[in-house]
Amino acid sequence: GNSVTQMEGPVTLSEEAFLTINCTYTATGYPSLFWYVQYPGEGLQLLLKATKADDKGSNKGFEATYRKETTSFHLEKGSVQVSDSAVYFCALSPPSGGYQKVTFGTGTKLQVIP
Amino acid sequence: NAGVTQTPKFQVLKTGQSMTLQCAQDMNHNSMYWYRQDPGMGLRLIYYSASEGTTDKGEVPNGYNVSRLNKREFSLRLESAAPSQTSVYFCASSEAGGFFQPQHFGDGTRLSIL
Repeated sequence: GNSVTQMEGPVTLSEEAFLTINCTYTATGYPSLFWYVQYPGEGLQLLLKATKADDKGSNKGFEATYRKETTSFHLEKGSVQVSDSAVYFCALSPPSGGYQKVTFGTGTKLQVIP
Repeated sequence: NAGVTQTPKFQVLKTGQSMTLQCAQDMNHNSMYWYRQDPGMGLRLIYYSASEGTTDKGEVPNGYNVSRLNKREFSLRLESAAPSQTSVYFCASSEAGGFFQPQHFGDGTRLSIL
């Protein structure tokens, strides 16, 4: 079946540091890939997406590139802020038509300190 | 522009009690979902409704029932609550069809079963 593996957290960084959160996946074909962010006390929000190999999703300074050869979708940001402290979830949606079930990773908590 | 609204936000129940979690979306989405979120386990799908009038089991349906009341509303019922159902419950919705289905989440219901 489909699966998503994320690096375990928590990840603690100083403000303005470079961020990488690793995500690898297992799926047949070409799934769509997502990063969601969950701020304390809130639901998940879509951060960025990529729907085919070599696509780069980007939003709010975050980027992730869909790498089919390494089955990865690592999240990066060049300079984190305290306001980026949250839990980040990698997810995939299979390529079949019709209803698509999304598979989520277990989440990586990011804490940014001033 | 409310998006996905869940009620209640918090609830404490005794073992054996029943309750219904309510969810409504105002984005005219066809598909709706119920997840539970537990520490270290990410999000697990309880039930989903691909379209109005249909419901299907997800990964962890035991102990729950759902009703897709209309296109906007999708409720989750615990008939006889158990301590193992202590969790944070999220409702989500998405458009149906196509390769890309970002999900929109509510802010969650924090449920404790004593």
